Amino acid sequence: NAGVMQNPRHLVRRRGQEARLRCSPMKGHSHVYWYRQLPEEGLKFMVYLQKENIIDESGMPKERFSAEFPKEGPSILRIQQVVRGDSAAYFCASSPSRGPNQPQHFGDGTRLSIL
Amino acid sequence: ILNVEQSPQSLHVQEGDSTNFTCSFPSSNFYALHWYRWETAKSPEALFVMTLNGDEKKKGRISATLNTKEGYSYLYIKGSQPEDSATYLCAFDDNFNKFYFGSGTKLNVKP
Repeated sequence: NAGVMQNPRHLVRRRGQEARLRCSPMKGHSHVYWYRQLPEEGLKFMVYLQKENIIDESGMPKERFSAEFPKEGPSILRIQQVVRGDSAAYFCASSPSRGPNQPQHFGDGTRLSIL
Repeated sequence: ILNVEQSPQSLHVQEGDSTNFTCSFPSSNFYALHWYRWETAKSPEALFVMTLNGDEKKKGRISATLNTKEGYSYLYIKGSQPEDSATYLCAFDDNFNKFYFGSGTKLNVKP
């Protein structure tokens, strides 16, 4: 049973370009969460999605960032017109449902570097 | 802003030592407390999910306790081994869709 798959592992972009980060949840998981780890900081929640729906995007910057989880295919975190401050590790997690005994299972992350 | 604090920030112990660290979280709106083990260049691995005040969980040499009334959880490692070296994260779940992570305790076990 494959775990949460994120790609690419490393992504380099120049300022102003777009970054697309992909996350395939574990089989049978329909809940996806994105977290960001800025340098020297902890994991911070960005967005929570279920299939085709954004449930909570309270942690997403208001501009340039968007996320989707289509009916078919991986969840995508999209950052438009990247800036140096977007350099971070972006982690995706998934769970089969929401409940008090439900851990979130994490992928290995995408390390985004902005030149 | 909801604060989850972990202490110490880092810990260096000798192989065979027992150790423990702390996670502090708000005592209100408690839903669950999660512990993760995070090795460098890997993904965080779920260790324990704790939901009830007084909960104690154990996995091998690692155990955890929970006090929801005063808002803390302890993680204990008995007889530390070099392979226990990792960052240990706790995450507070208030049932509003997100986990609030502490900054972690980085454990280094010297052979």
